[in-house]
Amino acid sequence: QVQLQESGPGLVKPSETLSLICTVSGDSINADFWSWIRQPAGKGLEWLGRISSSGSANYNPSVKSRVSMSLDKSKNQFYLQLHSVTAADTAVYYCARERVWGDYSDYIDPWGQGTLVTVSS
Amino acid sequence: DIQMTQSPSSVSVFVGDRVTITCRPGHDIDRFLNWYQQKPGKAPKLLVFAASTLQNEVPSRFSGGGSGTEFTLTITSLQPEDSATYFCQQSYSSPYTFGPGTKVEIK
Repeated sequence: QVQLQESGPGLVKPSETLSLICTVSGDSINADFWSWIRQPAGKGLEWLGRISSSGSANYNPSVKSRVSMSLDKSKNQFYLQLHSVTAADTAVYYCARERVWGDYSDYIDPWGQGTLVTVSS
Repeated sequence: DIQMTQSPSSVSVFVGDRVTITCRPGHDIDRFLNWYQQKPGKAPKLLVFAASTLQNEVPSRFSGGGSGTEFTLTITSLQPEDSATYFCQQSYSSPYTFGPGTKVEIK
């Protein structure tokens, strides 16, 4: 059973870089897509982007100029960097697997438990 | 971006009642529509993918339907553990987008 776990600083200063790690267990990241989604407190979900097992990334235009995703197959981990953060980037950040197969089957499952990142000085 | 709307935004029902949530994307998305359940403090959990396919181990009281620009998630015979917020999500085109959520509460 695949499990994902986010890790990283819970507090980041404005204008600095938010860096998170997602560690995958129970499955290899040699297939599928690996995604980041965030959710500000009491609000909805925002898909930030994904990276394929081959290292090709696809980002949401809302953060495209500030975001970078990468992966390390040897560690079975993938990463999120969000640069020049502001208070508006304060949210719970989730990592997740995206599966694409068959007809119309393109979904996000499972999700990590999420990690709260607060942007504040 | 494809905008997603959901209705109602919240609903309060009795145990055993039937609940239907509607999701309307702003663009025809064929059947590229997924439903998630989120409980407070927890990550979303996939319930339905490809509009109507139930994810493994999801109770059969959940069902999804629709295509194009109107989709539904129905919970027949609501149980106490179904109290949660439900989100739809389109995977038709990037960036993937989610509906604003429907909060289901038990009376």
